[in-house]
Amino acid sequence: EVQLVESGGGLVQPGGSLRLSCAASGFTFSGYWMSWVRQAPGKGLEWVANIKQDGSEKYYVDSVKGRFTISRDNAKNSLYLQINSLRAEDTAVYYCARVGGAAAVYFDYWGQGTLVTVSS
Amino acid sequence: QLVLTQSPSASASLGASVKLTCTLSSGQSSYAIAWHQQHPEKGPRYLMKLNSDGSHSKGDGIPDRFSGSSSGAERYLTISSLQSEDEADYYCQTWGTGVVFGGGTKLTVL
Repeated sequence: EVQLVESGGGLVQPGGSLRLSCAASGFTFSGYWMSWVRQAPGKGLEWVANIKQDGSEKYYVDSVKGRFTISRDNAKNSLYLQINSLRAEDTAVYYCARVGGAAAVYFDYWGQGTLVTVSS
Repeated sequence: QLVLTQSPSASASLGASVKLTCTLSSGQSSYAIAWHQQHPEKGPRYLMKLNSDGSHSKGDGIPDRFSGSSSGAERYLTISSLQSEDEADYYCQTWGTGVVFGGGTKLTVL
């Protein structure tokens, strides 16, 4: 059974940093692109970042470029998101998602999410 | 620019069928999309990938009541024999230069 379990969320002050983690199991983690998707309270889904199987390619939504860094450790079956210079508008539930297609970026498995709240 | 448009809300009666629509932006009628379901306070669940020709591949455990179809720039999700647990938000999603989600449709089962 595929499982994605996020952790690391919490309350952080504006300008602060946080590192989110996603523990993957039930599939060959190193064989898939992975993503982070977020959802602000009461709002829709927003893609944040993608990372290739070996970490050699990374893509970000414009609003987080230069502040967020996606990474992975295939030996630990883990995905990470380092989020710096946090702003109030980064408040959201952050989901880890597996990219299902080889040449198609759709998310075929999702985690339950971890909440990041940016507030003073 | 890649944009997906969804109606904010829809409703249908228990046991009936409902067809949700996702519209691709101009010039992108050949794009495939994915449909996702999200219950309140839960993570999304992948329903299916839907191609421009209407062929689709569903996620693990998705009931036959869920089906997809396409016409031009429109992508549809049809849910038949509606059950109470189908009441949820439904998002379409596509990809190109980046990944885009539609605004979501809140489905109410009456």
